[in-house]
Amino acid sequence: QVQLVESGGGVVQPGGSLRLSCAASGFTFSSYGMHWVRQAPGKGLEWVAFIRYDGSNKYYADSVKGRFTISRDNSKNTLYLQMNSLRAEDTAVYYCAKDPYDIVATYYFDYWGQGTLVTVSS
Amino acid sequence: SYELTQPPSVSVSPGQTARITCSGDALPKQYAYWYQQKPGQAPVLVIYKDSERPSGIPERFSGSSSGTTVTLTISGVQAEDEADYYCQSADSSGTPYVVFGGGTKLTVL
Repeated sequence: QVQLVESGGGVVQPGGSLRLSCAASGFTFSSYGMHWVRQAPGKGLEWVAFIRYDGSNKYYADSVKGRFTISRDNSKNTLYLQMNSLRAEDTAVYYCAKDPYDIVATYYFDYWGQGTLVTVSS
Repeated sequence: SYELTQPPSVSVSPGQTARITCSGDALPKQYAYWYQQKPGQAPVLVIYKDSERPSGIPERFSGSSSGTTVTLTISGVQAEDEADYYCQSADSSGTPYVVFGGGTKLTVL
């Protein structure tokens, strides 16, 4: 069965950096686009970033563009999110999520991890 | 950019039918997707491409589309259906743009 397990969350000061990881199993990771989606405490869902199955294309929400970098290592079945210049408004649970179709991205999410909490606070 | 608008809350009694709407100008051109999220849990896809139901999702969940509004219908609501529901759409014609509605809290009275 598909499993997505995030890690790397924690407390970081404003302006700091953090790298999140998402370990994938139960499917051919190298064939699917992957996303990061976040949810601030008590708020709704916000799409953060997408990476194509082969890493050739990456897209970001305007709110994180230039500060966050999505990447993947298909040999390790792992998705990453490097977060720099963190702000208080980046405080959220960060979910990795799988795109449903192999090769061709459809920009919705058929499986989600359980999330990892990032808190940006001094 | 565009927005998706949902009512903040919907309340129904057990066994009744709940309807949650989602409105957006791009919905006639783009598919809508629905997610259920229970407290402390990750979202779960319950409807894709406006009206398709993933395997494992109960038949009481259905989706429909009309113009700029899509609707998630839960027939014969059960206590376990109490959750937040989010609609989502995406425009991938150029640089992808993914948007969620603000979410609707479904309360089972």
